[in-house]
Amino acid sequence: KQEVTQIPAALSVPEGENLVLNCSFTDSAIYNLQWFRQDPGKGLTSLLLIQSSQREQTSGRLNASLDKSSGRSTLYIAASQPGDSATYLCAVGSLDYGQNFVFGPGTRLSVLP
Amino acid sequence: SQTIHQWPATLVQPVGSPLSLECTVEGTSNPNLYWYRQAAGRGLQLLFYSVGIGQISSEVPQNLSASRPQDRQFILSSKKLLLSDSGFYLCAWMRLAGGSGANVLTFGAGSRLTVL
Repeated sequence: KQEVTQIPAALSVPEGENLVLNCSFTDSAIYNLQWFRQDPGKGLTSLLLIQSSQREQTSGRLNASLDKSSGRSTLYIAASQPGDSATYLCAVGSLDYGQNFVFGPGTRLSVLP
Repeated sequence: SQTIHQWPATLVQPVGSPLSLECTVEGTSNPNLYWYRQAAGRGLQLLFYSVGIGQISSEVPQNLSASRPQDRQFILSSKKLLLSDSGFYLCAWMRLAGGSGANVLTFGAGSRLTVL
């Protein structure tokens, strides 16, 4: 059974810092991994999707990497801004889980002005 | 472009009352559809998913049910709500075909349910 964890659970940084969020999964037989952002009381917004054949994806100040063999993905946020404050979740599309995703518990990020 | 609508956004229901949450997707055909629940302080839990009309798979035993009467409509129901049903319910869709946007899980705005 696929299990997904995220470290740290919460993170507080001053504005302008570069930061890394971590996502780990137990079964490397995945077909993709997706990073989401969730603002309080809102739905999830997709940030980046990495297919299993890819090693990284970039969008603006965000860069996500994938290392299937070690069961890890990282989300790198450059030059953080207060507007980046949200909960970040990773979700793994597992081959043994059909057409579904297993979600991590999320990292709650606060960027202080 | 594709859009997903979910309603109602908020509802407060007494224990034992029925529930109906609705989700519709526009701008695509034959999507995979999903219902997730997010309880306070907990992660997302997959409740149901559907790969086509009338095809429903349940991930967690509970007093909830789901139906897909039309290709782009997904309904979450309960005949009698429990206190433990309180939470934030999220509908999502995904297109499996190739090309840009394939396999991207896209969420609605959510429905917050409080059972009293």
